[in-house]
Amino acid sequence: RKEVEQDPGPFNVPEGATVAFNCTYSNSASQSFFWYRQDCRKEPKLLMSVYSSGNEDGRFTAQLNRASQYISLLIRDSKLSDSATYLCVVNTNAGKSTFGDGTTLTVKP
Amino acid sequence: EPEVTQTPSHQVTQMGQEVILRCVPISNHLYFYWYRQILGQKVEFLVSFYNNEISEKSEIFDDQFSVERPDGSNFTLKIRSTKLEDSAMYFCASRASREGGEQFFGPGTRLTVL
Repeated sequence: RKEVEQDPGPFNVPEGATVAFNCTYSNSASQSFFWYRQDCRKEPKLLMSVYSSGNEDGRFTAQLNRASQYISLLIRDSKLSDSATYLCVVNTNAGKSTFGDGTTLTVKP
Repeated sequence: EPEVTQTPSHQVTQMGQEVILRCVPISNHLYFYWYRQILGQKVEFLVSFYNNEISEKSEIFDDQFSVERPDGSNFTLKIRSTKLEDSAMYFCASRASREGGEQFFGPGTRLTVL
C-alpha cells in the first residue's frame, strides 16, 4: 500500500465547476498535512496547510480526518488558472515528507 | 521575498561522473531537504538535514548520494557515480521549523545523465 494515495485523475472540468480531490495516508504517526500545487516542469508550491478543524482560503477548502487518515481539497468556481497537478503531502515528526502521486486538473473554457 | 535558489538549472553529465547540485536555502531556515522527480513521475523524498546532520533519508538515498552544508549558506547534493536512472529534476527545499510550516522549494536542477 502506498504511504500517500490520491485520486488517480485526471480531472477535466468546465470553468465554474466544483471539484474535490481526495487523499489517504497510511502512517498514523503523520503530523502535518499540506496541499501543494505543481505546474508543468515547475517546483511544487504550497496551496494550503490542512488542519483538523478544516480551513478555507477563498475558493479552496481543505479538510482533515485523522481517524480515517483522510485529507480532502475542494475547489469551488474553478478558473482556467487552477489547471495544475495537486499534490497531497504528509509529514512525519522526524522530518520526512511523503508526496502523493498527484492529481492533474484541467479546467476548460 | 526570500526564496530558495538552485544552481545549475540544467546539468548534463556522462554516466559514471560525479555531480554536485547546489542550493542556497532561505537564510533563517533550519531544515533542508532534497527531492527528485523523474519526468512524468511523482516527487520523491531523498533526504532531510538539520543541525549539520541527516535526520531522515529514503531508500533511494544510497551510498552514491551525500549531502553537505559546507558553509552557512550552501546546501549541496553530491552524486558520486551517476547512472542513467539518476536523470531527473532535483528540488531543494527549506523550512523554518520542523513541524508544520511550509517547505519552500527551489526551482530545481534538471540532471541529464548520458
